[in-house]
Amino acid sequence: GNSVTQMEGPVTLSEEAFLTINCTYTATGYPSLFWYVQYPGEGLQLLLKATKADDKGSNKGFEATYRKETTSFHLEKGSVQVSDSAVYFCALSDGNYGQNFVFGPGTRLSVLP
Amino acid sequence: EADIYQTPRYLVIGTGKKITLECSQTMGHDKMYWYQQDPGMELHLIHYSYGVNSTEKGDLSSESTVSRIRTEHFPLTLESARPSHTSQYLCASSEWPLTDTQYFGPGTRLTVL
Repeated sequence: GNSVTQMEGPVTLSEEAFLTINCTYTATGYPSLFWYVQYPGEGLQLLLKATKADDKGSNKGFEATYRKETTSFHLEKGSVQVSDSAVYFCALSDGNYGQNFVFGPGTRLSVLP
Repeated sequence: EADIYQTPRYLVIGTGKKITLECSQTMGHDKMYWYQQDPGMELHLIHYSYGVNSTEKGDLSSESTVSRIRTEHFPLTLESARPSHTSQYLCASSEWPLTDTQYFGPGTRLTVL
């Protein structure tokens, strides 16, 4: 079946550090890939997505590239801020009818001033 | 920005009580979802719906039930709450089949004493 694996957290960084959160997936066909962010006490918000190989999703300084050859969708940001502290979820959708959305376990990021 | 609402945001109740968690969206989305989020952050799909009069069980077995009488409304009911039901419940919707992107409500944090 489809699955998503993320690097284990928590990840703790200093402000302005470079961020990478690894995400790899297993899926049949050509899934769409997503990153969601969950701030404390809130629901999930879509951060970015990519729908085909080599697409780059970007938003708020975050970016991720859909790499089919390595089945990866790593999240990066060049300079994190304290306000980026949150839980980040990688997810995929295989586009088939029925239940087809799979979330990773989430990675908690803490950014220290 | 997605318009999806959940009430109440927080609920503390005693064992054996019947409760209904409300979820409404104003986007006209046909597909809606309920997730249970455990303290370790992982999301588990418990119910989903393709539209009015459609309800399906998700991956995680749940003692809750759902109904879909109106497109915009997808309430979740627990007939007899137990401490094991203590969790965060997240509602989401998507513009399926046009897109798989899910939009989340702010969540309801349920505590059963």
